Amino acid sequence: GESVGLHLPTLSVQEGDNSIINCAYSNSASDYFIWYKQESGKGPQFIIDIRSNMDKRQGQRVTVLLNKTVKHLSLQIAATQPGDSAVYFCAENTGGYNKLIFGAGTRLAVHP
Amino acid sequence: GAGVSQSPSNKVTEKGKDVELRCDPISGHTALYWYRQSLGQGLEFLIYFQGNSAPDKSGLPSDRFSAERTGGSVSTLTIQRTQQEDSAVYLCASSPRTGRTNEKLFFGSGTQLSVL
Repeated sequence: GESVGLHLPTLSVQEGDNSIINCAYSNSASDYFIWYKQESGKGPQFIIDIRSNMDKRQGQRVTVLLNKTVKHLSLQIAATQPGDSAVYFCAENTGGYNKLIFGAGTRLAVHP
Repeated sequence: GAGVSQSPSNKVTEKGKDVELRCDPISGHTALYWYRQSLGQGLEFLIYFQGNSAPDKSGLPSDRFSAERTGGSVSTLTIQRTQQEDSAVYLCASSPRTGRTNEKLFFGSGTQLSVL
């Protein structure tokens, strides 16, 4: 879900488990989507992207799934590690140049 | 190679003062973006520069905010008569190609602005 105010939704997982972070996007015309990871005190880092003509894309330990019917995006992280602890943002490109609209973020907390 | 560099990393100012935030994009990147991130929030688009084209200023929240990009490289975001609600992290990002969609942005670490 989306957060309001200071309270980001938090996903807590055990080290080694798989994580799934969800995102609902707003514009049915969006044609490009990105997941970013933001660690404390740093700028967002690119994780993986997907175009609207695809429904799944895999990277190293990460998979992004796109369901255009319900305007839903998910990020799956396999074998979650303590270094994966961060805030994760989805972003959509609503067309034209690369102007990304970001979701509010989900905090991932990985416990040993 | 060097990433996007922003300065200062932290800025504390008094209400009513003007501030300037600087961004050095990755060398050769033609597109530059400013975003604002309030505490616990997502990123809010502010302004976009692409080459010599007129910037897209549609995200600037008020006329107290302005930005320049000199020589197609360094950019400065200026906030005049700062207000407490301007307190946020200001993030700069660049991307490599001319006006293309579907390319990732590279972000700096941001400037944390605190208005007292």
